[in-house]
Amino acid sequence: DQQVKQNSPSLSVQEGRISILNCDYTNSMFDYFLWYKKYPAEGPTFLISISSIKDKNEDGRFTVFLNKSAKHLSLHIVPSQPGDSAVYFCAASPRNLYNFNKFYFGSGTKLNVKP
Amino acid sequence: GAGVSQSPRYKVAKRGQDVALRCDPISGHVSLFWYQQALGQGPEFLTYFQNEAQLDKSGLPSDRFFAERPEGSVSTLKIQRTQQEDSAVYLCASSLGVGSYGYTFGSGTRLTVV
Repeated sequence: DQQVKQNSPSLSVQEGRISILNCDYTNSMFDYFLWYKKYPAEGPTFLISISSIKDKNEDGRFTVFLNKSAKHLSLHIVPSQPGDSAVYFCAASPRNLYNFNKFYFGSGTKLNVKP
Repeated sequence: GAGVSQSPRYKVAKRGQDVALRCDPISGHVSLFWYQQALGQGPEFLTYFQNEAQLDKSGLPSDRFFAERPEGSVSTLKIQRTQQEDSAVYLCASSLGVGSYGYTFGSGTRLTVV
Protein backbone atom coordinates (compact mmCIF):
# COMPACT_ATOMS: atom_id res chain seq x y z
CA ASP A 1 0.00 0.00 0.00
CA GLN A 2 1.45 3.32 -1.09
CA GLN A 3 2.13 5.61 1.84
CA VAL A 4 2.88 8.63 -0.34
CA LYS A 5 0.57 9.49 -3.20
CA GLN A 6 0.78 11.94 -6.03
CA ASN A 7 -2.59 11.73 -7.69
CA SER A 8 -1.83 13.91 -10.69
CA PRO A 9 0.45 12.11 -13.12
CA SER A 10 0.90 15.24 -15.20
CA LEU A 11 0.46 19.01 -15.10
CA SER A 12 0.75 21.57 -17.87
CA VAL A 13 1.33 25.24 -17.06
CA GLN A 14 2.06 28.36 -19.07
CA GLU A 15 5.45 30.00 -18.58
CA GLY A 16 5.30 32.71 -15.93
CA ARG A 17 2.31 31.22 -14.14
CA ILE A 18 2.25 29.29 -10.88
CA SER A 19 2.74 25.52 -10.82
CA ILE A 20 1.20 23.67 -7.88
CA LEU A 21 2.14 20.06 -7.33
CA ASN A 22 0.32 18.08 -4.66
CA CYS A 23 1.20 15.14 -2.47
CA ASP A 24 -0.72 13.19 0.18
CA TYR A 25 0.61 10.77 2.76
CA THR A 26 -0.94 8.30 5.14
CA ASN A 27 1.72 7.61 7.78
CA SER A 28 1.50 9.99 10.73
CA MET A 29 5.06 8.99 11.74
CA PHE A 30 6.54 10.80 8.76
CA ASP A 31 8.46 13.79 10.05
CA TYR A 32 10.49 14.99 7.10
CA PHE A 33 9.43 15.66 3.56
CA LEU A 34 11.31 16.39 0.38
CA TRP A 35 10.70 17.20 -3.23
CA TYR A 36 12.97 15.80 -5.89
CA LYS A 37 13.16 16.80 -9.52
CA LYS A 38 14.07 14.33 -12.24
CA TYR A 39 15.08 14.86 -15.84
CA PRO A 40 15.03 11.94 -18.30
CA ALA A 41 18.01 9.56 -18.01
CA GLU A 42 19.23 11.27 -14.85
CA GLY A 43 18.86 10.47 -11.19
CA PRO A 44 16.50 12.52 -9.02
CA THR A 45 18.01 15.74 -7.66
CA PHE A 46 17.07 17.26 -4.35
CA LEU A 47 14.96 20.39 -4.65
CA ILE A 48 13.53 21.49 -1.32
CA SER A 49 12.59 19.99 2.04
CA ILE A 50 10.43 20.67 5.06
CA SER A 51 10.40 19.38 8.60
CA SER A 52 7.16 18.49 10.36
CA ILE A 53 7.74 21.31 12.84
CA LYS A 54 7.20 23.85 10.06
CA ASP A 55 4.32 24.52 7.73
CA LYS A 56 6.20 26.42 5.04
CA ASN A 57 9.67 26.55 3.56
CA GLU A 58 10.75 28.84 0.78
CA ASP A 59 13.77 28.77 -1.51
CA GLY A 60 13.73 31.24 -4.35
CA ARG A 61 10.93 30.39 -6.74
CA PHE A 62 10.10 27.20 -4.83
CA THR A 63 7.88 26.99 -1.75
CA VAL A 64 6.74 23.86 0.01
CA PHE A 65 3.66 23.91 2.23
CA LEU A 66 2.86 21.23 4.80
CA ASN A 67 -0.59 20.64 6.28
CA LYS A 68 -0.05 17.99 8.93
CA SER A 69 -3.69 17.65 9.93
CA ALA A 70 -4.62 16.90 6.33
CA LYS A 71 -1.45 14.89 5.71
CA HIS A 72 -0.89 16.95 2.61
CA LEU A 73 1.98 18.88 1.14
CA SER A 74 2.34 20.95 -1.96
CA LEU A 75 5.12 22.48 -4.01
CA HIS A 76 4.58 25.90 -5.55
CA ILE A 77 6.80 27.15 -8.34
CA VAL A 78 6.44 30.85 -9.11
CA PRO A 79 7.04 31.94 -11.81
CA SER A 80 7.27 28.70 -13.76
CA GLN A 81 9.97 28.45 -16.40
CA PRO A 82 10.38 26.02 -19.32
CA GLY A 83 13.50 24.61 -17.62
CA ASP A 84 11.28 23.48 -14.75
CA SER A 85 9.75 20.85 -17.03
CA ALA A 86 10.60 17.54 -15.36
CA VAL A 87 9.09 14.84 -13.18
CA TYR A 88 8.66 15.90 -9.56
CA PHE A 89 8.68 13.34 -6.78
CA CYS A 90 7.41 13.90 -3.29
CA ALA A 91 9.16 11.85 -0.58
CA ALA A 92 8.62 11.35 3.14
CA SER A 93 10.70 9.84 5.90
CA PRO A 94 10.02 8.61 9.43
CA ARG A 95 12.76 8.36 12.00
CA ASN A 96 13.83 4.79 12.59
CA LEU A 97 16.01 2.65 14.80
CA TYR A 98 19.24 3.60 13.07
CA ASN A 99 18.24 7.23 12.64
CA PHE A 100 18.80 7.26 8.91
CA ASN A 101 16.39 8.65 6.40
CA LYS A 102 14.53 5.97 4.53
CA PHE A 103 12.34 7.76 2.05
CA TYR A 104 8.98 6.71 0.71
CA PHE A 105 8.37 8.23 -2.70
CA GLY A 106 5.23 9.12 -4.57
CA SER A 107 4.82 8.04 -8.18
CA GLY A 108 5.69 11.48 -9.54
CA THR A 109 4.02 14.31 -11.43
CA LYS A 110 5.30 15.25 -14.85
CA LEU A 111 5.33 19.04 -15.17
CA ASN A 112 5.34 20.64 -18.58
CA VAL A 113 5.90 24.38 -18.68
CA LYS A 114 4.90 25.77 -22.05
CA PRO A 115 6.79 28.77 -23.44
CA GLY B 1 34.36 12.06 -8.97
CA ALA B 2 31.98 14.80 -7.99
CA GLY B 3 28.82 12.73 -8.10
CA VAL B 4 27.49 9.23 -7.53
CA SER B 5 28.56 6.99 -10.38
CA GLN B 6 26.70 3.86 -11.40
CA SER B 7 27.67 1.22 -13.92
CA PRO B 8 26.61 -0.11 -16.26
CA ARG B 9 24.07 2.48 -17.41
CA TYR B 10 22.08 -0.18 -19.23
CA LYS B 11 22.00 -3.92 -18.78
CA VAL B 12 20.01 -6.48 -20.72
CA ALA B 13 19.91 -9.89 -19.09
CA LYS B 14 18.33 -13.12 -20.14
CA ARG B 15 15.91 -14.55 -17.64
CA GLY B 16 17.80 -16.70 -15.18
CA GLN B 17 21.08 -14.83 -15.62
CA ASP B 18 22.91 -13.28 -12.65
CA VAL B 19 23.73 -9.56 -12.77
CA ALA B 20 25.91 -7.22 -10.71
CA LEU B 21 25.30 -3.49 -10.55
CA ARG B 22 27.99 -1.17 -9.24
CA CYS B 23 27.77 2.08 -7.32
CA ASP B 24 30.61 4.50 -6.59
CA PRO B 25 29.32 6.96 -3.99
CA ILE B 26 30.68 10.42 -3.37
CA SER B 27 34.01 10.10 -1.58
CA GLY B 28 33.64 10.24 2.18
CA HIS B 29 29.90 9.66 2.21
CA VAL B 30 28.97 7.43 5.10
CA SER B 31 25.47 6.48 4.02
CA LEU B 32 24.63 4.54 0.88
CA PHE B 33 21.20 3.53 -0.35
CA TRP B 34 19.82 1.38 -3.13
CA TYR B 35 16.39 2.07 -4.56
CA GLN B 36 14.41 0.32 -7.30
CA GLN B 37 12.26 2.35 -9.67
CA ALA B 38 9.75 0.51 -11.82
CA LEU B 39 8.37 2.18 -14.92
CA GLY B 40 5.94 4.96 -14.03
CA GLN B 41 6.56 4.63 -10.32
CA GLY B 42 8.61 6.40 -7.71
CA PRO B 43 11.80 4.90 -6.30
CA GLU B 44 11.31 2.18 -3.69
CA PHE B 45 13.82 1.58 -0.90
CA LEU B 46 15.84 -1.61 -1.12
CA THR B 47 18.67 -1.39 1.38
CA TYR B 48 20.89 0.93 3.43
CA PHE B 49 24.56 0.86 4.38
CA GLN B 50 26.30 2.90 7.01
CA ASN B 51 29.94 2.55 6.04
CA GLU B 52 30.36 -1.21 5.48
CA ALA B 53 27.47 -2.23 7.72
CA GLN B 54 24.19 -3.14 6.05
CA LEU B 55 21.76 -1.84 8.65
CA ASP B 56 18.50 -2.25 6.78
CA LYS B 57 17.71 -4.67 3.98
CA SER B 58 13.99 -4.77 4.53
CA GLY B 59 13.23 -3.59 1.00
CA LEU B 60 15.03 -6.36 -0.87
CA PRO B 61 12.20 -8.15 -2.71
CA SER B 62 13.56 -11.68 -2.37
CA ASP B 63 16.60 -13.69 -1.40
CA ARG B 64 17.76 -13.41 -5.01
CA PHE B 65 18.80 -9.85 -4.20
CA PHE B 66 22.04 -9.28 -2.35
CA ALA B 67 24.00 -6.10 -1.69
CA GLU B 68 27.43 -5.49 -0.24
CA ARG B 69 29.79 -2.64 0.56
CA PRO B 70 32.84 -4.46 1.93
CA GLU B 71 35.17 -1.49 2.41
CA GLY B 72 32.61 1.16 3.11
CA SER B 73 32.89 2.85 -0.27
CA VAL B 74 31.92 1.05 -3.51
CA SER B 75 28.76 -1.03 -3.34
CA THR B 76 27.47 -3.83 -5.51
CA LEU B 77 23.87 -4.95 -5.88
CA LYS B 78 23.65 -8.50 -7.15
CA ILE B 79 20.54 -10.13 -8.51
CA GLN B 80 20.61 -13.88 -9.01
CA ARG B 81 18.44 -15.79 -11.48
CA THR B 82 16.86 -12.63 -12.84
CA GLN B 83 13.14 -12.59 -13.57
CA GLN B 84 11.15 -10.28 -15.83
CA GLU B 85 9.67 -8.49 -12.82
CA ASP B 86 13.21 -7.40 -11.88
CA SER B 87 13.22 -5.05 -14.89
CA ALA B 88 13.56 -1.55 -13.46
CA VAL B 89 15.98 1.31 -12.93
CA TYR B 90 18.22 0.68 -9.94
CA LEU B 91 19.26 3.89 -8.24
CA CYS B 92 22.09 4.33 -5.81
CA ALA B 93 22.31 7.34 -3.51
CA SER B 94 24.76 8.52 -0.91
CA SER B 95 24.82 11.10 1.84
CA LEU B 96 27.56 12.53 4.00
CA GLY B 97 26.15 11.70 7.41
CA VAL B 98 23.75 9.29 9.02
CA GLY B 99 20.92 11.72 9.52
CA SER B 100 21.55 13.71 6.36
CA TYR B 101 18.58 14.62 4.25
CA GLY B 102 18.42 15.09 0.53
CA TYR B 103 20.84 12.46 -0.59
CA THR B 104 22.59 12.57 -3.96
CA PHE B 105 21.39 10.04 -6.47
CA GLY B 106 23.31 8.48 -9.32
CA SER B 107 21.83 8.27 -12.81
CA GLY B 108 20.84 4.66 -12.26
CA THR B 109 21.24 1.36 -14.06
CA ARG B 110 18.35 0.38 -16.31
CA LEU B 111 17.98 -3.39 -16.13
CA THR B 112 15.87 -5.14 -18.72
CA VAL B 113 15.27 -8.86 -18.30
CA VAL B 114 14.20 -10.62 -21.50
